[in-house]
Amino acid sequence: GNSVTQMEGPVTLSEEAFLTINCTYTATGYPSLFWYVQYPGEGLQLLLKATKADDKGSNKGFEATYRKETTSFHLEKGSVQVSDSAVYFCALATDSWGKFQFGAGTQVVVTP
Amino acid sequence: NAGVTQTPKFQVLKTGQSMTLQCAQDMNHNSMYWYRQDPGMGLRLIYYSASEGTTDKGEVPNGYNVSRLNKREFSLRLESAAPSQTSVYFCASTTAGPQETQYFGPGTRLLVL
Repeated sequence: GNSVTQMEGPVTLSEEAFLTINCTYTATGYPSLFWYVQYPGEGLQLLLKATKADDKGSNKGFEATYRKETTSFHLEKGSVQVSDSAVYFCALATDSWGKFQFGAGTQVVVTP
Repeated sequence: NAGVTQTPKFQVLKTGQSMTLQCAQDMNHNSMYWYRQDPGMGLRLIYYSASEGTTDKGEVPNGYNVSRLNKREFSLRLESAAPSQTSVYFCASTTAGPQETQYFGPGTRLLVL
């Protein structure tokens, strides 16, 4: 079956540090890949996505590249801010209904 | 646009009680979903509705039922609550298939004693 594995948190960083959150996946077919972010007390919201191999998704300074050869979709940001403190979820979806999988989530804490 | 709304925000139940979680979206989306979020487990799909008039089981459907009342509304019912159903429940919607961006509600925090 489909699955998503992402690094455990919490990840604690100082402001302006470089952030990487690793995400690898297992899927049949050709999934779309997503990063969602959850701020405290809120629902998830889409951060970025990529729908085919070698696509790069980007938003708000975050980037992730769909790597089919390594089945990975790592999230990066060059210079984090305190406002980036949140839980980040990697997810995949295939054409098949119900085959939508989230990773366990990685909490990121950015300190001033 | 309110987006996806959920009621209630928080609920405490005793074991064996029943309740319905309500979800509505005003984005004219075809597909709607119910998830539960538990620490260390990410989000797990309970039920989904690909379109008005259809519903289907997700990864963890046991103990739940759903109703797609119309295009806007998708409710989740717990007939006999158990402590294992203590969780945060999220409703989401998309324009079409599962590869589209999902829009999430703010969540319902449920505690079953």
